[in-house]
Amino acid sequence: NAGVTQTPKFQVLKTGQSMTLQCAQDMNHEYMSWYRQDPGMGLRLIHYSVGAGITDQGEVPNGYNVSRSTTEDFPLRLLSAAPSQTSVYFCASSPSAGGYNEQFFGPGTRLTVL
Amino acid sequence: TQLLEQSPQFLSIQEGENLTVYCNSSSVFSSLQWYRQEPGEGPVLLVTVVTGGEVKKLKRLTFQFGDARKDSSLHITAAQPGDTGLYLCAGAYNNNDMRFGAGTRLTVKP
Repeated sequence: NAGVTQTPKFQVLKTGQSMTLQCAQDMNHEYMSWYRQDPGMGLRLIHYSVGAGITDQGEVPNGYNVSRSTTEDFPLRLLSAAPSQTSVYFCASSPSAGGYNEQFFGPGTRLTVL
Repeated sequence: TQLLEQSPQFLSIQEGENLTVYCNSSSVFSSLQWYRQEPGEGPVLLVTVVTGGEVKKLKRLTFQFGDARKDSSLHITAAQPGDTGLYLCAGAYNNNDMRFGAGTRLTVKP
């Protein structure tokens, strides 16, 4: 099992550009989520999905879109990048929603918006 | 304002020392989790505590969940350089929305 994979590992964008961060898991997990990690802020939840076709907003959803067409994939889209979106982005998955389940994290994508 | 406040923010100690880090909230959580994150990697789960007053041990690490389920602590005995990392606590704000604290960055010097 590869676990949770994320691509790319690093990305530099100019303000206003769009891009998609890819996330895939091969553990047949129902719950997937996207976090951003900024210094002194911990991880903040952007969007999450409790299954294919179902997504919802987390703590900081503005500027980001998601979709979940398959169990395996959960891409995060930045429609018009802003410098405030410079961060490290982590995708995670767990067997189901709830605070009792272990979340498995990908290695992260470091995004810089100039 | 963070839903989960962690303290201290930074901690630097010598190998062999003991330490305790804290995770506090004004909200009640059905469970709390502790993760450790190393540079350039995603967090990895250490433990989940569910019952108020619960104590769990993982080798030299002892985790406690407060009686009121609003706070938790992590105690490390005889710290080693391999314990160096960012320690994060996390709780389910509702069933689907996991919230993390800002973390305690621990450095253990040989």
